[in-house]
Amino acid sequence: DADVTQTPRNRITKTGKRIMLECSQTKGHDRMYWYRQDPGLGLRLIYYSFDVKDINKGEISDGYSVSRQAQAKFSLSLESAIPNQTALYFCATSRTSGNFLGGETQYFGPGTRLLVL
Amino acid sequence: AQSVTQLDSHVSVSEGTPVLLRCNYSSSYSPSLFWYVQHPNKGLQLLLKYTSAATLVKGINGFEAEFKKSETSFHLTKPSAHMSDAAEYFCVVSSRGGYNKLIFGAGTRLAVHP
Repeated sequence: DADVTQTPRNRITKTGKRIMLECSQTKGHDRMYWYRQDPGLGLRLIYYSFDVKDINKGEISDGYSVSRQAQAKFSLSLESAIPNQTALYFCATSRTSGNFLGGETQYFGPGTRLLVL
Repeated sequence: AQSVTQLDSHVSVSEGTPVLLRCNYSSSYSPSLFWYVQHPNKGLQLLLKYTSAATLVKGINGFEAEFKKSETSFHLTKPSAHMSDAAEYFCVVSSRGGYNKLIFGAGTRLAVHP
């Protein structure tokens, strides 16, 4: 069974619609992340959460919101979808290492492919 | 500020020949570095990571990478390519501080020909 799951895997929606992407994990990790991937740009961080009460904006949070419903669940919402939000979206998790030097490994879900028409 | 540059957007090799995927980083301190692989229609899988221990890091599927501080490089190599290695590869640097931010390179697409 996958440790990090994302639903839906594929979604087509229209401009102006509200859409939610969901992420669940069974790894017991406290930290969760949402990224988007665009061709030639790698992955860019949208939001991240260190625990249920700690949510932070990433580098490209405009037009997105998130909810951390439980330690295992982290959802991403597009309140009013627009075509340039067409992308591949990834959820990731990691466990706090307590190491100020970084280096925590992040584990990724399979991705959600979103097309906004 | 940290950044990562993957020097080749596409690399093509023949099966059985060596693989070299190049990555340079910029960091004001000794970074943590990763290589992830993404197979078509799959999520990202960790190949290997460097966290200031041995400079030559061995990963899964026969891949390895060498951290060279003097050259600010972290190139990924494999002695003999296999068809199943065809994928996109990302070089990643991790920030310091409390939030473990990953900064991704643009990716290198590896094609392996028979």
